[in-house]
Amino acid sequence: RKEVEQDPGPFNVPEGATVAFNCTYSNSASQSFFWYRQDCRKEPKLLMSVYSSGNEDGRFTAQLNRASQYISLLIRDSKLSDSATYLCVVDTGRRALTFGSGTRLQVQP
Amino acid sequence: DGGITQSPKYLFRKEGQNVTLSCEQNLNHDAMYWYRQDPGQGLRLIYYSQIVNDFQKGDIAEGYSVSREKKESFPLTVTSAQKNPTAFYLCASSALEGQAPVQYFGPGTRLTVT
Repeated sequence: RKEVEQDPGPFNVPEGATVAFNCTYSNSASQSFFWYRQDCRKEPKLLMSVYSSGNEDGRFTAQLNRASQYISLLIRDSKLSDSATYLCVVDTGRRALTFGSGTRLQVQP
Repeated sequence: DGGITQSPKYLFRKEGQNVTLSCEQNLNHDAMYWYRQDPGQGLRLIYYSQIVNDFQKGDIAEGYSVSREKKESFPLTVTSAQKNPTAFYLCASSALEGQAPVQYFGPGTRLTVT
């Protein structure tokens, strides 16, 4: 079983739609959680950290469910510029961060 | 401007040649990392270093070597022993922000070996 699992997608949504991605992790000792965004042929960039109480940054909302070992990312009012691959990232405290394979989002006009 | 630089952006080599990828950071981060990404795949950890003069193997270290002689620099050598070296190579560094070890990435080097 992979340490971090994501649905690869693609998720094809119209502009203005709300879309949600889930990600599950296997290590219950995981301590920190992040969502990164990666544009085609570019490096990953931090989108937001995920806090236990959930957190929001503009149109983006991240949630953590420790009991079920999953995190989620909700994007409201999707823009064309949101088209990218979203990487779920987990810190198990061992060494480096563990990256999921990513979920691809395509926002269509 | 603080950040991570990787050079070159594109690199072409013949099979059997060693090649060294550069990674430099001026963020004053202690930890640095090398990842490899293949098309449609996630990032796989090659090597990491949490302090100068010390580094550890990641999940796919075979055929690669690194050095960490300076805090700012963490070069990666892809040796001829690496069976499938063509890939997108990403360098990252991290420092604690609050309690979370956020990693920041350089722009990457695309290596093509023929």
